[in-house]
Amino acid sequence: AQKVTQAQTEISVVEKEDVTLDCVYETRDTTYYLFWYKQPPSGELVFLIRRNSFDEQNEISGRYSWNFQKSTSSFNFTITASQVVDSAVYFCALSEDRIQGAQKLVFGQGTRLTINP
Amino acid sequence: NAGVTQTPKFQVLKTGQSMTLQCAQDMNHNSMYWYRQDPGMGLRLIYYSASEGTTDKGEVPNGYNVSRLNKREFSLRLESAAPSQTSVYFCASSEAGVRAFFGQGTRLTVV
Repeated sequence: AQKVTQAQTEISVVEKEDVTLDCVYETRDTTYYLFWYKQPPSGELVFLIRRNSFDEQNEISGRYSWNFQKSTSSFNFTITASQVVDSAVYFCALSEDRIQGAQKLVFGQGTRLTINP
Repeated sequence: NAGVTQTPKFQVLKTGQSMTLQCAQDMNHNSMYWYRQDPGMGLRLIYYSASEGTTDKGEVPNGYNVSRLNKREFSLRLESAAPSQTSVYFCASSEAGVRAFFGQGTRLTVV
């Protein structure tokens, strides 16, 4: 069975600090997708990134970066120079790779990130 | 482009009442899903529909039924609501090779 663990329930930092959110996953599939979603206080789910299991290159998008390591089954998310607007709950998720059919997501428990001014 | 639209946004039910949550997508996606979000547990899959005409159970299907009315619409029904079904419900849709798109969520309280 697939499983995603976000061990950090809550993180609180001061604005401009760097912060890393951890994500560890379990799957027997050789091909799969990993995701990060942001849920701001308004409640909607905002898609941040999707990574295929064959692509281990790190990705950077502005202040956001992701480190994917298959050897440790981890897909960690770093926010550089955090801002108050980054305050949200962040979810890591995993899905099987399916050419056809549903892509069912398994979510971690979420990490509540608070950026204090 | 509306994406995934859920109705209602908020609902309060009494124990034992029934209701249907509606979901529609305008992206011509084959697959649709219902998730529930409870505090500290992330989102969990209730039911999904891989394609029009098919539905399957997810991780937490008990107490729910679904209908894939057509390619656009996927409804979730609570036949006899229980306090344990108090949650935020999200509908989503996806296509093979494309990430899932989520609706705005429905906050349901059962008293």
